[in-house]
Amino acid sequence: EDQVTQSPEALRLQEGESSSLNCSYTVSGLRGLFWYRQDPGKGPEFLFTLYSAGEEKEKERLKATLTKKESFLHITAPKPEDSATYLCAAFSSGSARQLTFGSGTQLTVLP
Amino acid sequence: DTEVTQTPKHLVMGMTNKKSLKCEQHMGHRAMYWYKQKAKKPPELMFVYSYEKLSINESVPSRFSPECPNSSLLNLHLHALQPEDSALYLCASSQVRGATEAFFGQGTRLTVV
Repeated sequence: EDQVTQSPEALRLQEGESSSLNCSYTVSGLRGLFWYRQDPGKGPEFLFTLYSAGEEKEKERLKATLTKKESFLHITAPKPEDSATYLCAAFSSGSARQLTFGSGTQLTVLP
Repeated sequence: DTEVTQTPKHLVMGMTNKKSLKCEQHMGHRAMYWYKQKAKKPPELMFVYSYEKLSINESVPSRFSPECPNSSLLNLHLHALQPEDSALYLCASSQVRGATEAFFGQGTRLTVV
């Protein structure tokens, strides 16, 4: 069974303090690894898709990377508006369930 | 435009009521999804439609009834719900069913009283 595990569960940073969120996956035949941002009471907002190990994508202060076992979401010099829950999800050739989501990392950036 | 529109944003219903949630996308996507999300939990897949045909039903109780009238619309009909069904209901769409990015709507916050 596909599994996606995110760590830490919660992270508090000072504004400008860079850090990384981790997403470990155990899936049979990764077809895509997705990152989403979710604000309270809202739907997830698509950020990135990564398809193969070594791939990197960037958007403003966020950079997502992928290895054969995990993905990282690096946040450089975060601002309070980056506070949200960040979800990763995997789609595998062995899963009929479409996306397998991790439990998310709740990020709080303090001014 | 990567917009998925859900209505209503909030819904309060009694356990004997019948109501419907609506979802619309105009991106030409041929896969549409319903998810249920409880507080501080990830979204849980309920149904998948691919080319307007139901392709996945994740053992969802029959009090939830999906409908896909055309390629742009997705409905979720609700009947005789229980208080534990209170949650955020999310609609999503993707170009096709598979490893393409799925775009989510803002959700319907459902409260069953």
